[in-house]
Amino acid sequence: DAKTTQPPSMDCAEGRAANLPCNHSTISGNEYVYWYRQIHSQGPQYIIHGLKNNETNEMASLIITEDRKSSTLILPHATLRDTAVYYCIVSLRSNDYKLSFGAGTTVTVRA
Amino acid sequence: GAGVSQSPSNKVTEKGKDVELRCDPISGHTALYWYRQSLGQGLEFLIYFQGNSAPDKSGLPSDRFSAERTGGSVSTLTIQRTQQEDSAVYLCASSTDGSRSEQYFGPGTRLTVT
Repeated sequence: DAKTTQPPSMDCAEGRAANLPCNHSTISGNEYVYWYRQIHSQGPQYIIHGLKNNETNEMASLIITEDRKSSTLILPHATLRDTAVYYCIVSLRSNDYKLSFGAGTTVTVRA
Repeated sequence: GAGVSQSPSNKVTEKGKDVELRCDPISGHTALYWYRQSLGQGLEFLIYFQGNSAPDKSGLPSDRFSAERTGGSVSTLTIQRTQQEDSAVYLCASSTDGSRSEQYFGPGTRLTVT
């Protein structure tokens, strides 16, 4: 499996966009990029995933570079409730089911 | 719609007792997973159920742990003769078969063995 690299922490002002980077330089052609987050004392929460094209849903946008070696998760208008650890993983969509998170990025949204 | 639910939310038990943890997956999700997460640690895969196929039990840490899934829906994780090292948050997740990496988690059961 490809490994990912994320910054350990970042701060964001409430109401501003939060841009979370992830490097996955060894990603293979059929691996997807997934983002999860875990708010303190809660279970992990799926956010979004993508293969090549940029994706958007009600929670976030995912921008994947053309070479697929990195991606950025964008929270368009961060709120205090978005404070969480964010995890970027790469996996084969239908075959990889033993989720394993790295250290992730601790995002703190400040008022 | 309803998400994954788990019960109880908290369980305190004495060492040596048996415990049962319950998971109700999202309706229509054919795949169900159990993980545990110790304080400040990452996810530890325990077991995976998919339809009528034999479950993947490769993550169960000992034979004191077992799980079943009745009727392709509700699942129960049983820990026999609990030990203090079993203390953790036990998480259940479900997904559709074709998107096994897109898992929806329940709130977890916090197990404390005293």
